[in-house]
Amino acid sequence: DQQVKQNSPSLSVQEGRISILNCDYTNSMFDYFLWYKKYPAEGPTFLISISSIKDKNEDGRFTVFLNKSAKHLSLHIVPSQPGDSAVYFCAATSSGNTPLVFGKGTRLSVIA
Amino acid sequence: DTGVSQDPRHKITKRGQNVTFRCDPISEHNRLYWYRQTLGQGPEFLTYFQNEAQLEKSRLLSDRFSAERPKGSFSTLEIQRTEQGDSAMYLCAGDRGLNEQFFGPGTRLTVL
Repeated sequence: DQQVKQNSPSLSVQEGRISILNCDYTNSMFDYFLWYKKYPAEGPTFLISISSIKDKNEDGRFTVFLNKSAKHLSLHIVPSQPGDSAVYFCAATSSGNTPLVFGKGTRLSVIA
Repeated sequence: DTGVSQDPRHKITKRGQNVTFRCDPISEHNRLYWYRQTLGQGPEFLTYFQNEAQLEKSRLLSDRFSAERPKGSFSTLEIQRTEQGDSAMYLCAGDRGLNEQFFGPGTRLTVL
């Protein structure tokens, strides 16, 4: 069973507009969530994270929102740039149980 | 650049051969993880080390797989009697005791 789900395999956005990537999880023990970005033939690159004690974390153009009651998080990128085109993975973990559990990823295409 | 290096970057082998991959994290990474990623999937946890101690292995790690981190620095992952189903990207990651993990570029294994 998939504990972390990214239901949109792909997303296309115009340059300058907002990109919203969604992620759902089922395991109530998860208390820390991360987003990674991956280009082809490279390892995932850490983008931003959020603890379950917060509902929002912002870093430059990237903001992650967490809705614990809905077991849902989202990554907002604004404004989107062509260099943001990549596969984005949502990951989750429980404090003290450190392996990350990843979703299947969403491929973002930012069109100039 | 996360400072995590992996060698080789690509490996092509014939079914039944043994292969070994190496990961060099940065010195601050007291925890080291191995993940496997196949097409259309997110990275899947294989095993991890706290210094030289192997603390957890997933069900994905069959008896043909073995991992070591002999001096708490670099790590090796060996696959014996490779099968075509072992074809994947093998990713190594390190962390400093926090939840964020930093990945190397990966080793792409192709089993013919």
